[in-house]
Amino acid sequence: DARVTQTPRHKVTEMGQEVTMRCQPILGHNTVFWYRQTMMQGLELLAYFRNRAPLDDSGMPKDRFSAEMPDATLATLKIQPSEPRDSAVYFCASGLVSYGYTFGSGTRLTVV
Amino acid sequence: QQQVKQSPQSLIVQKGGISIINCAYENTAFDYFPWYQQFPGKGPALLIAIRPDVSEKKEGRFTISFNKSAKQFSLHIMDSQPGDSATYFCAAHSGNTPLVFGKGTRLSVIA
Repeated sequence: DARVTQTPRHKVTEMGQEVTMRCQPILGHNTVFWYRQTMMQGLELLAYFRNRAPLDDSGMPKDRFSAEMPDATLATLKIQPSEPRDSAVYFCASGLVSYGYTFGSGTRLTVV
Repeated sequence: QQQVKQSPQSLIVQKGGISIINCAYENTAFDYFPWYQQFPGKGPALLIAIRPDVSEKKEGRFTISFNKSAKQFSLHIMDSQPGDSATYFCAAHSGNTPLVFGKGTRLSVIA
């Protein structure tokens, strides 16, 4: 089965450090999402790419977060500097427009 | 416009019973309505989806009912089993909007 691969699965870092999360979308998928999941907020959209171009990153704190797709096989989400309130599970999902989107297993980030 | 409202927040159902989760949306441009199932420690997994040109879609024990005029859709789980215990998310999407999720429903199926 094709799958979305996210690395790392877990990350513990100190406040102020840079965090980079990576996502390998399924080959052929032209749409990539980044979501953050917390108990309080549920699944929040952070960024949204179509054919590697950013379409919507309005949900992302621009001063510290950045999302890129340097090529079709890699999407990255960076936090610099990280803060304790960034602790959450970050999911990447890929798919084709208006068809099923496949989620990765997530990166559980803990900022201490 | 971008919100999807989901209810209830949590649901307890007896084994063999019917689980019903409801969602409502505002944006009439949405043209794809999936339901995702999430187990602890896992990512959401696509369960079943519907488009607005049909009023119902059934896959095994899972059925989506869709009411375009009321802008509502629901998930029915027939013969609910303990293995169905998970969090369920409804979502909505169109070619010009991101995939927008409801807040989720935590389902517990008890024997």
